[in-house]
Amino acid sequence: GQQVMQIPQYQHVQEGEDFTTYCNSSTTLSNIQWYKQRPGGHPVFLIQLVKSGEVKKQKRLTFQFGEAKKNSSLHITATQTTDVGTYFCAGHRDSNYQLIWGAGTKLIIKP
Amino acid sequence: KAGVTQTPRYLIKTRGQQVTLSCSPISGHRSVSWYQQTPGQGLQFLFEYFSETQRNKGNFPGRFSGRQFSNSRSEMNVSTLELGDSALYLCASSMDRATGELFFGEGSRLTVL
Repeated sequence: GQQVMQIPQYQHVQEGEDFTTYCNSSTTLSNIQWYKQRPGGHPVFLIQLVKSGEVKKQKRLTFQFGEAKKNSSLHITATQTTDVGTYFCAGHRDSNYQLIWGAGTKLIIKP
Repeated sequence: KAGVTQTPRYLIKTRGQQVTLSCSPISGHRSVSWYQQTPGQGLQFLFEYFSETQRNKGNFPGRFSGRQFSNSRSEMNVSTLELGDSALYLCASSMDRATGELFFGEGSRLTVL
């Protein structure tokens, strides 16, 4: 069945280093959304991308949606302790509006 | 504007019992989705309701069921609880189905002993 693969599962970085997570879908998505879940919290919506090749920035976060609308990435520049958490991507498929989720990438800041 | 409210926040049950969880979406939101999250795991989709009708269903056994009322409030029920049902159950609401961002509640943490 259709799925969204998200890698890596975990990423350990030193504070100040960059972080990137990638999502790849087996089929075309109508849009891609990104969520952040802090430890002990619930997922919180970050952004939605709709257009092919779209790039959006939120301060140190850069989100991209691939030309074929099958892949997406989230890049964080110069990570801070407040960035710790799990980042999920999720995309809508056109046929029945179901939102398909990636498994998440957990960002861990090394002490 | 009030957020998504889930009750109860915490509950402990024993194997074989049943449980009902409640979700009140943001006012005006007609779509409600339920997810199961176990430690270290992603979000496992349970079902989605829109206008009192189940629109999508995840790959869970029939012990998991839900419904949505005319005021968009939703409940999910798990019967004959198993140890593996221990999880955080998250409810999310959205304005529409095709493109709407999801607003999650804080979840109901179920422990099955």
